[in-house]
Amino acid sequence: KQEVTQIPAALSVPEGENLVLNCSFTDSAIYNLQWFRQDPGKGLTSLLLIQSSQREQTSGRLNASLDKSSGRSTLYIAASQPGDSATYLCAVVGSNYQLIWGAGTKLIIKP
Amino acid sequence: NAGVTQTPKFQVLKTGQSMTLQCAQDMNHEYMSWYRQDPGMGLRLIHYSVGAGITDQGEVPNGYNVSRSTTEDFPLRLLSAAPSQTSVYFCASSQRDRGLLNTEAFFGQGTRLTVV
Repeated sequence: KQEVTQIPAALSVPEGENLVLNCSFTDSAIYNLQWFRQDPGKGLTSLLLIQSSQREQTSGRLNASLDKSSGRSTLYIAASQPGDSATYLCAVVGSNYQLIWGAGTKLIIKP
Repeated sequence: NAGVTQTPKFQVLKTGQSMTLQCAQDMNHEYMSWYRQDPGMGLRLIHYSVGAGITDQGEVPNGYNVSRSTTEDFPLRLLSAAPSQTSVYFCASSQRDRGLLNTEAFFGQGTRLTVV
């Protein structure tokens, strides 16, 4: 059974720092991996989608990488801003064709 | 440009009551799904639909029913509410690419449900 883990559960860094969020999955047979952002009291917003054949995707200050063989993905945020404060979730689509979710990393950017 | 609309945003139920959570999308997406989100856990799939008239169970379907009579609407019914169903519920929609969830998923703002 596919399991998705995100460590740490929470992270607090000063504004301006570059940071990395981690996501690991137990079954490397995935079709894609997606990163989402969740703001308090709101729904989830899709940030990046990486196909299984891709190694990374970039959108603005965000860069997501995927290493299927090791079962890992990272979300790199450059020059962090207070507005980046949110919970970041990763999810994989595997052999059951459904999204399997990690519990998320709560990120706080201190001004 | 509404996207995915969920109602209500908040609800308190007594044990044993029933209710329907509404979800509507205006993007003509084939795939719609319901998740519950509990503290410290990832989202768990309750039910999903790959098109009008087609529904299937997810990971945690017990105590919930769904129907998909139109492409736009995918209501979730709680048959007899229990305290264990206290959670935040999200509806999502997306297109499918070659049968896979290979495209961006759009989420509603969530319904915070408390069962007392």
